[in-house]
Amino acid sequence: KAGVTQTPRYLIKTRGQQVTLSCSPISGHRSVSWYQQTPGQGLQFLFEYFSETQRNKGNFPGRFSGRQFSNSRSEMNVSTLELGDSALYLCASSLVIGLAGRETYEQYFGPGTRLTVT
Amino acid sequence: GDSVTQMEGPVTLSEEAFLTINCTYTATGYPSLFWYVQYPGEGLQLLLKATKADDKGSNKGFEATYRKETTSFHLEKGSVQVSDSAVYFCALSDGSSNTGKLIFGQGTTLQVKP
Repeated sequence: KAGVTQTPRYLIKTRGQQVTLSCSPISGHRSVSWYQQTPGQGLQFLFEYFSETQRNKGNFPGRFSGRQFSNSRSEMNVSTLELGDSALYLCASSLVIGLAGRETYEQYFGPGTRLTVT
Repeated sequence: GDSVTQMEGPVTLSEEAFLTINCTYTATGYPSLFWYVQYPGEGLQLLLKATKADDKGSNKGFEATYRKETTSFHLEKGSVQVSDSAVYFCALSDGSSNTGKLIFGQGTTLQVKP
């Protein structure tokens, strides 16, 4: 099976602009999660989508948003970019294993999109 | 809230040395525990997992045991190689919501010298 793909791999934007990042999950995975990775804050959860619905959201401002399409592909959008948004943005799709009520979400990550805001 | 604490890095070892990277957690509910590895310029790769107390996850010579009594999930390898040089992340799933949300430790950089 093909792995998780993210596009673009690298992006340079200026402050105040907006950006859209794309993620294609592993075939058959319905859950897609997004994370921000920075040297100072480490890996932080942004949000999770499952069957086109946002199911979980991390502690990020409303400038960060996302969506999921019927084929499970997901996009995240950041509006009014700030210098502090420079980061590696990682997408992960989940293989759900185990019995209902005790599922484990085994997450598989893409290579990330490196966003630089100048 | 839930959290993960890893030992500070970097950890520098000679090839064939024994590796331990400590990881402790605080969680509600019944989280699953994971170790991920990140090589330079790449995303995270799932190394191993454990879904309940006393489970041992293992892969590529790495092992970790889910210890509920000490809330720990330490990563071990008997003999490291130069190719094991990477950043290692301990993580737990959000046990209260049982969804695709992972909480990560700060990461431990491992450097193995020949």
